Amino acid sequence: GESVGLHLPTLSVQEGDNSIINCAYSNSASDYFIWYKQESGKGPQFIIDIRSNMDKRQGQRVTVLLNKTVKHLSLQIAATQPGDSAVYFCAVTDASGNTPLVFGKGTRLSVIA
Amino acid sequence: DTEVTQTPKHLVMGMTNKKSLKCEQHMGHRAMYWYKQKAKKPPELMFVYSYEKLSINESVPSRFSPECPNSSLLNLHLHALQPEDSALYLCASSQEFAPDTQYFGPGTRLTVL
Repeated sequence: GESVGLHLPTLSVQEGDNSIINCAYSNSASDYFIWYKQESGKGPQFIIDIRSNMDKRQGQRVTVLLNKTVKHLSLQIAATQPGDSAVYFCAVTDASGNTPLVFGKGTRLSVIA
Repeated sequence: DTEVTQTPKHLVMGMTNKKSLKCEQHMGHRAMYWYKQKAKKPPELMFVYSYEKLSINESVPSRFSPECPNSSLLNLHLHALQPEDSALYLCASSQEFAPDTQYFGPGTRLTVL
C-alpha cells in the first residue's frame, strides 16, 4: 500500500520569505496529488493539486512540483504571510478509482513577523 | 460553491449516550466521506459512500454507524462511545470517489466523558 511521509514536522519562516514544504510517497502507481492547509480548529482546505502527467502547477502564490523519478512532491509558497501559518498535508492516490486518499503526517508552518 | 457543512460544531457526550453528527453538501458530489482526526495527526478515513452506497468501511468499531439518506446528506450515529473516541470528526465530499479532490467541512469536535 501507499505510505506518505513529510521530511519536516515543523517549519519556521520569516514573513516575506518563500516557504518550501516537502512530501515523499512510496507507490509508483500514485497518480493524483493534493495539498491541503489546515488552520487551528478548522477542516482541511484544498490549496492545489497535480496529476502525474505534469511536473509543475502554479496557483496564486503557490507552486506544486512533482518529481516522479524520486517520488517527491513539494509545495512552494511565495512571499509567506502570517495568514499562511497552518498545518500543511499532502495527500496521494492512484488512478484505479477505488483507492482512498492517503495523507502525509503534516508540516506545521509558523510565520515569524 | 465548495461548501460542506457539519453540525454540531461541538458535542460533549457520556459513554451511554446516543448522538448523531450531520453533514451536508449541495455541490452534486456523489462521494462522501467520514474522517476522524486526533490532535497533531492527519485525518484518518473511516467510511466512504459512493452513489449513496457504503463502499469502504475501514474496520471502524460498530459503535460508529454511518448513514447516507440521500446524495446530499451524510450522518454518523454514535452509541456507547469511549473516551478515546474524542476527536475532530470531518466530513468530506468529492465529485466521484478517487481520484478526485475532496472538499472538507469544518468538523465536529467530539468529547466523550
